[in-house]
Amino acid sequence: AQSVSQHNHHVILSEAASLELGCNYSYGGTVNLFWYVQYPGQHLQLLLKYFSGDPLVKGIKGFEAEFIKSKFSFNLRKPSVQWSDTAEYFCAVNSNYQLIWGAGTKLIIKP
Amino acid sequence: DVKVTQSSRYLVKRTGEKVFLECVQDMDHENMFWYRQDPGLGLRLIYFSYDVKMKEKGDIPEGYSVSREKKERFSLILESASTNQTSMYLCASRPYTGGGTEAFFGQGTRLTVV
Repeated sequence: AQSVSQHNHHVILSEAASLELGCNYSYGGTVNLFWYVQYPGQHLQLLLKYFSGDPLVKGIKGFEAEFIKSKFSFNLRKPSVQWSDTAEYFCAVNSNYQLIWGAGTKLIIKP
Repeated sequence: DVKVTQSSRYLVKRTGEKVFLECVQDMDHENMFWYRQDPGLGLRLIYFSYDVKMKEKGDIPEGYSVSREKKERFSLILESASTNQTSMYLCASRPYTGGGTEAFFGQGTRLTVV
């Protein structure tokens, strides 16, 4: 069965630092990949998704992710984080009728 | 904007009580889901429904049941609440099972069973 791994459960960065959060899924074929974000006290919302085409996907709030098929990866990046990026980030992959989720990464940005 | 509304943000229930969590979506989505979210475990699927009166077990259905009598409403039922069901419960809806479609989430219900 499909599974998703997020390598870091907690990440602490200073403002303006660059961010990369890892996400790997277990097997290939045609995949649809998602990054969601959950800000404190808010509902989960979509940051970006890969469906097909350009493997470099741009999302909201300056985030981007790169789909690398050979590495089964879909890492999330942001060149310069802000305090307001403090949140929990989830990677997910579509498998049949449902989304398979990673365990999440809690990101804390120090002002 | 798609809206998924969960009836309660916080609930405190006693062990053994029957608990109902309600979820309503306003975008005519076919698919609805119930997850529980626990620290370090991500989102785990309890049940989902792909049509009215249709339901499928997810990864952790034990101790739960669901009801979908109308397309817009999906209820999660804890038949006899136990302390290990203390968790955040998330409802989601999705327009169809096409791979690229996103899921839309409610605010979540934080349930504490004492």
